[in-house]
Amino acid sequence: EPEVTQTPSHQVTQMGQEVILRCVPISNHLYFYWYRQILGQKVEFLVSFYNNEISEKSEIFDDQFSVERPDGSNFTLKIRSTKLEDSAMYFCASSETDGAGNTIYFGEGSWLTVV
Amino acid sequence: DQQVKQNSPSLSVQEGRISILNCDYTNSMFDYFLWYKKYPAEGPTFLISISSIKDKNEDGRFTVFLNKSAKHLSLHIVPSQPGDSAVYFCAASGGAQKLVFGQGTRLTINP
Repeated sequence: EPEVTQTPSHQVTQMGQEVILRCVPISNHLYFYWYRQILGQKVEFLVSFYNNEISEKSEIFDDQFSVERPDGSNFTLKIRSTKLEDSAMYFCASSETDGAGNTIYFGEGSWLTVV
Repeated sequence: DQQVKQNSPSLSVQEGRISILNCDYTNSMFDYFLWYKKYPAEGPTFLISISSIKDKNEDGRFTVFLNKSAKHLSLHIVPSQPGDSAVYFCAASGGAQKLVFGQGTRLTINP
């Protein structure tokens, strides 16, 4: 069964450092997403991406965050200068379509620890 | 912002019995609802979904019921199996791409 894959599975970084989380969405999917879950909290939407541009983003997704699809298969989330509160599990996701009936499939997650 | 709420943080059910997980929502614009299952340190795994034009959707042991007037949905698992022990998230979307998740309910199936 096709799946979303993410790397790294776990990264520890010092506060202020840049981090890039990588994802390979399901191959025929056109919509890509990043969500995150801070320990003990809800899964929260960060950003959606379609046709090489951001289609929607949340308040969390400020200027420190950026996304990119550098080639035909990868989708990345960059955090420019990490803060302690960025420590969370980051989930990449993809879907074939958008709108009603849209099922979003998630990767295994990248656990980011900022120290 | 509690647009999707799962009021039971945990539920314990005996193996073989029915598990019923509940979810309430406040946003009338939601038109698609999904249930995800999540194990620790793994991503949410899609289980079952329902469109707002339906009131029931069944897939094997899993059935989701939607009561639009009450803005309530539930996931029934029958019979419950030990492998069903996980955190279950209800999620909703409203035509836009993003999902809004509930807080999750930890289901424990006891042998």
